[in-house]
Amino acid sequence: DAGITQSPRHKVTETGTPVTLRCHQTENHRYMYWYRQDPGHGLRLIHYSYGVKDTDKGEVSDGYSVSRSKTEDFLLTLESATSSQTSVYFCATRGNEKLFFGSGTQLSVL
Amino acid sequence: TQLLEQSPQFLSIQEGENLTVYCNSSSVFSSLQWYRQEPGEGPVLLVTVVTGGEVKKLKRLTFQFGDARKDSSLHITAAQPGDTGLYLCARGMRGGADGLTFGKGTHLIIQP
Repeated sequence: DAGITQSPRHKVTETGTPVTLRCHQTENHRYMYWYRQDPGHGLRLIHYSYGVKDTDKGEVSDGYSVSRSKTEDFLLTLESATSSQTSVYFCATRGNEKLFFGSGTQLSVL
Repeated sequence: TQLLEQSPQFLSIQEGENLTVYCNSSSVFSSLQWYRQEPGEGPVLLVTVVTGGEVKKLKRLTFQFGDARKDSSLHITAAQPGDTGLYLCARGMRGGADGLTFGKGTHLIIQP
């Protein structure tokens, strides 16, 4: 299994506050992804990265930004959290034509 | 977006029974992947099917890719409580950087 660590595992925040979620990998995989998972919607791609400082938008990117300053770290930022961003967020890396997922971050925006 | 429709959405059966879940699309895919997700964890790849008509077996799990490469099925024989989880199908990698597109999944509960 790829070494993917997400932090924090759980977070409760208030509407309007900035939030940053971190994903750290030890496999030196080039491609990294942020998904959100919601009941009735499944897993949806937010942003992805194809290298250091190379990122692009996914299906549901509004309200989110990402940064990748090092191969091993991929950050997801909610500039001003809204209740609709309450979700479980998963980071993934791509290796050997498959995705490896972290254990997720449960984010609640009150 | 190439939609993947999974059915049933929920399935609860007794230990020892057989079951089949489905993944369908109107589009042809070069390959399709099945993942299983347990509560509190991320999805884990079970199998990749590439060739139309392909059948792959993973212990009691049998995966089939439709001849036209528009659909796939997962059959579990003699289900066990450890099979409980969310089963997701996903459109295979196209070689680019963009991530997989997932179906909404089938929630499977195997009761002892």
